[in-house]
Amino acid sequence: NAGVMQNPRHLVRRRGQEARLRCSPMKGHSHVYWYRQLPEEGLKFMVYLQKENIIDESGMPKERFSAEFPKEGPSILRIQQVVRGDSAAYFCASSPPVQYDEQFFGPGTRLTVL
Amino acid sequence: AQSVTQLGSHVSVSEGALVLLRCNYSSSVPPYLFWYVQYPNQGLQLLLKYTTGATLVKGINGFEAEFKKSETSFHLTKPSAHMSDAAEYFCAVSESFGNEKLTFGTGTRLTIIP
Repeated sequence: NAGVMQNPRHLVRRRGQEARLRCSPMKGHSHVYWYRQLPEEGLKFMVYLQKENIIDESGMPKERFSAEFPKEGPSILRIQQVVRGDSAAYFCASSPPVQYDEQFFGPGTRLTVL
Repeated sequence: AQSVTQLGSHVSVSEGALVLLRCNYSSSVPPYLFWYVQYPNQGLQLLLKYTTGATLVKGINGFEAEFKKSETSFHLTKPSAHMSDAAEYFCAVSESFGNEKLTFGTGTRLTIIP
């Protein structure tokens, strides 16, 4: 059973461009979480999704950021018009639909905005 | 709202010595507590978790943690440090039924001195 997959692992964008980060959860997992880790900081929750539903987006910046988890395919975190402050590691985690089961983390996507 | 405080952003111990990483939490309901380890440029790996039941929890790689409700603490320990334990350690809390998003501490970087 493959783990959580994220791609790309590294992404470089210039200011004003769009960034798309992909996350494929583990097989059988229907819950996906996105977290952001700024340099020298802990992880901060961004958004929690189930298939075709956003459950909690309280950690998402109000503008430029969006997330989806379609019925088929990976979850996508989209950042429009990136700025230097968006440079960070973005981690995706997935879990099965069992209360308080472990969240399995992917290796992360490291976004650098020039 | 829940929060996590990790005292000591950097901890150094000699190989073979006791490892103690501190974590205090704040939660309005009985918490669910986790310790994760992160190696450089990798995702997070679960060390151990407390949900209900026995307050002393044993995890992987010889680590254990004790949930102390009266002290709102969940400190991580290991009797004898190994060079391979050098990494960043994150304490996290989750409290909401149906939305198991994690709130992380800022992390403790553990260095092992040969």
